[in-house]
Amino acid sequence: QVQLQESGPGLVKPSETLSLTCTVSGDSISKSSYIYNWIRQPAGRGLEWLGRFYLTGHTSYNPSLKSRVSISIDTSKNQFSLRLTSVTAADTAVYYCVRSSNSGGVWYFADWGQGTQVTVSS
Amino acid sequence: QSVLTQPPSVSGAPGQRVTISCTGNTSNIGAGYDVHWFQQLQGTAPKVLIFDNGNRPSGVPDRFSGSKSATSAFLAISGLQADDEADYYCQSYDNYLSVWVFGGGTKLTVL
Repeated sequence: QVQLQESGPGLVKPSETLSLTCTVSGDSISKSSYIYNWIRQPAGRGLEWLGRFYLTGHTSYNPSLKSRVSISIDTSKNQFSLRLTSVTAADTAVYYCVRSSNSGGVWYFADWGQGTQVTVSS
Repeated sequence: QSVLTQPPSVSGAPGQRVTISCTGNTSNIGAGYDVHWFQQLQGTAPKVLIFDNGNRPSGVPDRFSGSKSATSAFLAISGLQADDEADYYCQSYDNYLSVWVFGGGTKLTVL
């Protein structure tokens, strides 16, 4: 059974860069049959998809974040990472790393990490 | 304001059936994109309940069912149990915004 675990600083100062890592265990991150995502959830609010990384090297990001977000992968460590620059209080949220699986040609957010709280504050 | 609209709350007594709606438009559900449903228990990560409009991952009871029609999707929960109390989210893709979108969530209370 695959497990995903987020890690990174819980507190980031405004205007700085938020960096999180997701460690995948129980399966190889190099398998091309999956897509890797980051999704966040502000306290008491809904879910927001941030971006995804395809093992072809292609990435796709939420246009609302403009050029602030990037996702990368390190197959040697079985990890993928999120980088969000120029953060503000509006970026305070629980951040989830999520693996998408495919069933019959349909991709869906199948496996979720437990989430990590990130607070933006000076 | 979420692109996909869900009722903020629904409730039902144990054993009853409830339905949660998810209303989109012609850029998402109405464009033919699949709808998925997630259950989020208090303080935990979301868990996929229904994928591809009406399919259940292994381990999800058949009390949970999904359907889709035109620009809306529906999650039905029959035989309500106390541990079904959770937030439920629908999710699809929006080709106008070019993002994977979620509904605002529906809080289910078992009376």
